[in-house]
Amino acid sequence: GAVVSQHPSWVICKSGTSVKIECRSLDFQATTMFWYRQFPKQSLMLMATSNEGSKATYEQGVEKDKFLINHASLTLSTLTVTSAHPEDSSFYICSAPGQGFRGLAKNIQYFGAGTRLSVL
Amino acid sequence: SQKIEQNSEALNIQEGKTATLTCNYTNYSPAYLQWYRQDPGRGPVFLLLIRENEKEKRKERLKVTFDTTLKQSLFHITASQPADSATYLCALVYNAGNMLTFGGGTRLMVKP
Repeated sequence: GAVVSQHPSWVICKSGTSVKIECRSLDFQATTMFWYRQFPKQSLMLMATSNEGSKATYEQGVEKDKFLINHASLTLSTLTVTSAHPEDSSFYICSAPGQGFRGLAKNIQYFGAGTRLSVL
Repeated sequence: SQKIEQNSEALNIQEGKTATLTCNYTNYSPAYLQWYRQDPGRGPVFLLLIRENEKEKRKERLKVTFDTTLKQSLFHITASQPADSATYLCALVYNAGNMLTFGGGTRLMVKP
């Protein structure tokens, strides 16, 4: 079964509103999680690294004030797209690395099912 | 900056044949290289990992090779099936931080 849960799977919102996406590690702790964005027929682009208990690390070109990341617990990271606009419409995916126990291999990423965001 | 190249054109093959996908990278070699499968509207699923000191890795019908001289990895699916149709992504890891850098992916279509 899934080891990383992502919610919601699909969200439609009006331009100017904010949308929160949750990423949960199931039955294991993730001090680090990763957030990606994927446009149609393109690859995953890393947006930021979410760190439990500290600030997220954003990739170059990603606006930290627009994409707010909170990693308040060892099993939950959230991505909030603030004041969303149509150009923010995309497929957002989170991942958490396995730790080498609980049946999860070390050095590989376990991905959520993704969230499709459509901004009208 | 590091570039990871996968054939952006879809690969169409007949069921039962071997599919071979290519991943090329520039600059320095990663600590290890991974292959993932992604179905439409879903997150990637891990398939195989190969370290820089390994030449080849196998798992059931899957085989991965890693040539640090050519800066290339090949991903093979033998006895391909229509259910193997998906996009396959290669990803490189350069440090212990687990951060993945993905290639653009290659879409494989296996026809019955």
